[in-house]
Formats: sequence, structure tokens, C-alpha cells
Amino acid sequence: QSVLTQPPSVSGAPGQRVTISCTGSSFNIGAGYDVHWYQQLPGTAPKLLIYGNNNRPSGVPGRFSGSKSGTSASLAITGLQAEDEADYYCQSYDSLSGCVFGTGTKVTVL
Amino acid sequence: EVQLVESGGGLVQPGGSLRLSCVASGFTFSNYWMSWVRQAPGKGLEWVANIKQDGSEKYYVDSVKGRFTISRDNAKNSLYLQMNSLRAEDTAVYYCTKWLSSWYNFDYWGQGTLVTVSS
Repeated sequence: QSVLTQPPSVSGAPGQRVTISCTGSSFNIGAGYDVHWYQQLPGTAPKLLIYGNNNRPSGVPGRFSGSKSGTSASLAITGLQAEDEADYYCQSYDSLSGCVFGTGTKVTVL
Repeated sequence: EVQLVESGGGLVQPGGSLRLSCVASGFTFSNYWMSWVRQAPGKGLEWVANIKQDGSEKYYVDSVKGRFTISRDNAKNSLYLQMNSLRAEDTAVYYCTKWLSSWYNFDYWGQGTLVTVSS
């Protein structure tokens, strides 16, 4: 019963741009809490991909970007590559529930 | 290099107990909040618990309140999760994570340890 909703899956051909939405409410994203994104490659632990809505940790390629508006946020992958095939999760803070994650999105590279 | 290494997972019967451990290195452990996050097989991520640098504040997801206890030993650079009254729905990979209180996010993750609750 995640409080942040993501599409179950998105797909794109190599080189294309894909976006993943993360929809929250006035108790989390809409309350001004930052949104963060994690990438989970198959069989591995999640890794911080985007923090503070649109910041990339050192080592994360520039083709990953984030944005936030109102009660939603988005992750964009520009110039999709085969190694980007993974599960992606948004995360924020909720004034009622504490730390919350999105439902997760599987990205498939066609 | 930040490293978080979990241990203590395994198979336990419903109603049983298990204690998870996490040894941290590569950063000043006593300066940071720490957390546990879990992932049921084939499912998404769920935050479980947080603990402040000195252990004076602890927070839990509602589903584990009264059953799980998070603790830490800064002298041993170690984080723990005592899990009692385990249920089938607690079956998951449990990740030890470093929690950034300034950003409210998890900036480093361990590789996880699997807990299976089954008879």
C-alpha cells in the first residue's frame, strides 16, 4: 500500500527518451518534501540515482534527470542504454507515514 | 569507500525471533542516522525503521511497531534489528542503509540479508 504511485512499466528503444512519473499527495510531495530516485539492477541492491528532486550523485550519468511539480515528480532517461534496464523507485517523506517509496517501475530496453 | 555488510538472515518459524546485524565502514558511523529497508520477494521497497546517531530517537513503520527494535553500537560501527513475533509477511530481503537526515533519503545500501518466515 505505497502512497507514491508509479507506472508498473515503461519501455523504449536504445537512444530514446523515457519518463517515469511518481504521483503523491499533499501529505508528501505536495507538502514540499523532496523526491529521490533509486535504480535497482537485477539481483542487486538499490542505488541512489537522483536526490533532492534533480541532483545527481557523483558517478551517475547525465542522461538521468529529475523534476518535481505540485504533488508529482518525474525521472527522465535521455538516450536510453541497454544497461539502464532496471527497476526504478521514487521516495519521499510523508507527514503521516514517515519515509515512503513509490510502487516501482520496470524499465525495458527494446 | 562506504560499505554496509548485513548478516543474520535465515529461515524462522512464524512467531519466532531473529536478530539482524550490519557492520559499517568507510564513514564516521556515529555521525549519521541509520535505517533498515526491506523488500518482499518480487515486491517493492518498504522503509522499516530509523535510528538517530546516539540512539535517542527511533521510528518504525506501523506494521512492525511493538515487534521490531532497531539499535546501534557506535563503538562497533554496528546497526541491529531485533525482530520478534515474526509473521509470513515479514519475509523479505532486509537492507541496512545510511540515512541522510538533511535530505530524508538513503544514500548508501548494503547488499541485503534474506529473512524467510515459514513453517
